[in-house]
Amino acid sequence: DQQVKQNSPSLSVQEGRISILNCDYTNSMFDYFLWYKKYPAEGPTFLISISSIKDKNEDGRFTVFLNKSAKHLSLHIVPSQPGDSAVYFCAASRGPGRSQGNLIFGKGTKLSVKP
Amino acid sequence: GAGVSQSPRYKVAKRGQDVALRCDPISGHVSLFWYQQALGQGPEFLTYFQNEAQLDKSGLPSDRFFAERPEGSVSTLKIQRTQQEDSAVYLCASSLQPGGQQFFGPGTRLTVL
Repeated sequence: DQQVKQNSPSLSVQEGRISILNCDYTNSMFDYFLWYKKYPAEGPTFLISISSIKDKNEDGRFTVFLNKSAKHLSLHIVPSQPGDSAVYFCAASRGPGRSQGNLIFGKGTKLSVKP
Repeated sequence: GAGVSQSPRYKVAKRGQDVALRCDPISGHVSLFWYQQALGQGPEFLTYFQNEAQLDKSGLPSDRFFAERPEGSVSTLKIQRTQQEDSAVYLCASSLQPGGQQFFGPGTRLTVL
């Protein structure tokens, strides 16, 4: 049973517009959420994270929103650029296990930003 | 290099063969993780080391999988008697401290024929 779900396998957006990637989770013990970006033949690279005590975290063009009551988080990219085209993974961890870093990943969403 | 490196990048094995996958974490990183990523799936946790101690191996799918990090730096993931279902990308990640940001290597793509 998947604890972290990314229900959209793919998303296509025009350059300059907003990209919104969604993620749902089932385990209420998760206390930390992360987004990773992955290019082909490379490992995932960390993008942005959010603690469960916050509802928003912003870093440049990237903003993550967390809705704990709905067990839902989203990643907003504004404005989208062709270089953002990649697979985006949502991941979660739960404390105190978080000290061991056991990340639970979704299946990923492939974002294509068209010029 | 400055990042996590893994070797080999690609490995083809015949069913029943043993394989060994190597991970060189970022120098000084205490924590090391192995993940398995099957086609079309997200990475799934296999095992975790803090220095040389293997603190969590709950994700290893069977006793054919074995990991070690004897000197607290380089780690090896060994798979004995490989099966077709072992075909996946094996990712290694390290973090400076427990709970810290994980930096991933490029992965080893294992194909079992």
